[in-house]
Amino acid sequence: GAVVSQHPSRVICKSGTSVKIECRSLDFQATTMFWYRQFPKKSLMLMATSNEGSKATYEQGVEKDKFLINHASLTLSTLTVTSAHPEDSSFYICSAGRDSDTGELFFGEGSRLTVL
Amino acid sequence: GNSVTQMEGPVTLSEEAFLTINCTYTATGYPSLFWYVQYPGEGLQLLLKATKADDKGSNKGFEATYRKETTSFHLEKGSVQVSDSAVYFCALRGSGGYQKVTFGIGTKLQVIP
Repeated sequence: GAVVSQHPSRVICKSGTSVKIECRSLDFQATTMFWYRQFPKKSLMLMATSNEGSKATYEQGVEKDKFLINHASLTLSTLTVTSAHPEDSSFYICSAGRDSDTGELFFGEGSRLTVL
Repeated sequence: GNSVTQMEGPVTLSEEAFLTINCTYTATGYPSLFWYVQYPGEGLQLLLKATKADDKGSNKGFEATYRKETTSFHLEKGSVQVSDSAVYFCALRGSGGYQKVTFGIGTKLQVIP
């Protein structure tokens, strides 16, 4: 099966610093990856669609300058939370679909961000 | 736009009980439907899917049938186990091109021995 890996799985940072989360498709190429944020006891909120070689498409209400997304290759997308604040603390999950697939997404393990 | 409505949990069942988690959706066209499962401390993984009306997805004893007339995709299992304790997400992906996936709120299932 297809594997998507995220790193780091947990990160704790001080308020005001920036944190980068990586998402890799290990055994397939993904021109499109998706970044989700999961709030406690709530569903997954799509933050943005990451497109290889072009700018990400952000969902309404998501600050593109705070959540920087770079999709530099067909197997790697990164999410950088800039000038993090405690309210940015959350579980961030990336996903990718194989280009030839009918719709199944493969998810990373998620990254737990805690901003002190 | 597309939306998914699923019952809020938590749902607590005894081992070997019958499980139903309701899911209904709103979408134009012919979406693909999914159930994802998230075990404690882990990411999401696909449990089953159905891509057209009347399709039945099944995996690990779980089943769900794509009902276009009732716009539903209810998840069922005849006899749950403690290891089935997890959060279950109903989701849909719109038709036409590479569309984003919309998730329901998730239903936490706890199975007690």
